[in-house]
Amino acid sequence: DVKVTQSSRYLVKRTGEKVFLECVQDMDHENMFWYRQDPGLGLRLIYFSYDVKMKEKGDIPEGYSVSREKKERFSLILESASTNQTSMYLCASTQLAGGFSSYNEQFFGPGTRLTVL
Amino acid sequence: ELKVEQNPLFLSMQEGKNYTIYCNYSTTSDRLYWYRQDPGKSLESLFVLLSNGAVKQEGRLMASLDTKARLSTLHITAAVHDLSATYFCAVGRNSGYALNFGKGTSLLVTP
Repeated sequence: DVKVTQSSRYLVKRTGEKVFLECVQDMDHENMFWYRQDPGLGLRLIYFSYDVKMKEKGDIPEGYSVSREKKERFSLILESASTNQTSMYLCASTQLAGGFSSYNEQFFGPGTRLTVL
Repeated sequence: ELKVEQNPLFLSMQEGKNYTIYCNYSTTSDRLYWYRQDPGKSLESLFVLLSNGAVKQEGRLMASLDTKARLSTLHITAAVHDLSATYFCAVGRNSGYALNFGKGTSLLVTP
């Protein structure tokens, strides 16, 4: 089974702090994703990565950056945390497969509930 | 821009009843996924639908995909309390592997 782990389940930070959220997957997946989940808004894509050192902006990248130095690890960075970044953050991974006939099913980590005071 | 709409967003149903959750999407895609999320937990994959007319069933849940209508349905048969959860549909974007999610349907099954 695919296992996606996230470094913290709950995190409380203060406004202006630099915050690191870590995600690790153990299935050698090429693609990794960061989402935030807010009530009534569903999941929104922040950033994703197709390969080591590669990153692509998602739909709401403002205020975030990412790092992928190793294939299994994808980090989300809040350079200067703000209260509107209080949210549930979900990491996901999927394997690289050819064409649209492949599953590309995303496997999710347990989530990090971040509160910024 | 790919938009994904689910309805209803909230659903309270009695045990033993049947109901359908709908997922509409705005642009062509032939990859659609259903996920389940229990309170405080992460997302669990339920179904992967890859072609027009695809139908998948697992227990009391059945999912189908009509790519021409850009519609997927998640049908619940004879609901039981254990099905109470939030259900998300997600649609594959035409480029790359990212998904667009609906806002989720919060299902409560009552005695």
